[in-house]
Amino acid sequence: SAVISQKPSRDICQRGTSLTIQCQVDSQVTMMFWYRQQPGQSLTLIATANQGSEATYESGFVIDKFPISRPNLTFSTLTVSNMSPEDSSIYLCSVGTPNEKLFFGSGTQLSVL
Amino acid sequence: KQEVTQIPAALSVPEGENLVLNCSFTDSAIYNLQWFRQDPGKGLTSLLLIQSSQREQTSGRLNASLDKSSGRSTLYIAASQPGDSATYLCAVRKIEGNKLVFGAGTILRVKS
Repeated sequence: SAVISQKPSRDICQRGTSLTIQCQVDSQVTMMFWYRQQPGQSLTLIATANQGSEATYESGFVIDKFPISRPNLTFSTLTVSNMSPEDSSIYLCSVGTPNEKLFFGSGTQLSVL
Repeated sequence: KQEVTQIPAALSVPEGENLVLNCSFTDSAIYNLQWFRQDPGKGLTSLLLIQSSQREQTSGRLNASLDKSSGRSTLYIAASQPGDSATYLCAVRKIEGNKLVFGAGTILRVKS
C-alpha cells in the first residue's frame, strides 16, 4: 500500500489568484493522477502525471489552467490558476498501477470567493 | 464511452440489516473494478478490488461481486453498523487509456 500526504487540506482563496496543491508519496510510483470532485458529484480525472514527461490532460482540462509538476517519483504538484468560484471543489491525488488498488490522498477542499 | 451508474443514490437502513449496493458499467473492456468509501470532507479509502478475471472478493463484512459480461457489480454489507455510514463509490479501470471512471456514489446512512 502507499501512504499519500496531500496539502493543504483546505483553503479559501480570492478570485483571480492561484493555489498550488502538493502530493507526497512514501514510495516511488510511476503514475500519479489528479482528480476533481465538484460539490455533490463524483470524481473526474484532470490529468495523469508521469515522471520525466509532460502530464496528459483529460478533455475539458488544459495545462494553462491546471499546470502540473512531477519532479521525481514521490512528489507532484497541481496548481489551480486564475481561480473563479466554479473552481471550488475537492482536489485529490492518487497513485496506483493498472492491476493494483488505487490509493488516494486525503484531498484539498478549495473554496473560491 | 464508459459510463458507470450506481443505484440507489441514497439508502437509509436500521443497524444490523444486510444491504446491497449496485454498480453497472457500459463497456466490459476493463482491467478491474474497485469499491471505495468516502467520508464527508475526506479522501477515498479503497475497500475491495476485483480483477476482470475474478468473480468476487471478500473483506470482513464486505463482499463484492463482478459479472463483467453483464456489466454489473454488487457490494454486499453484512450486519450494517452506524460506522458504515459514508458514500460508497465504484470505479472501473478502463483498458483504453488505463483510466479510472467513477460512478456518482451511493450515500449510505445506518441508523442506530
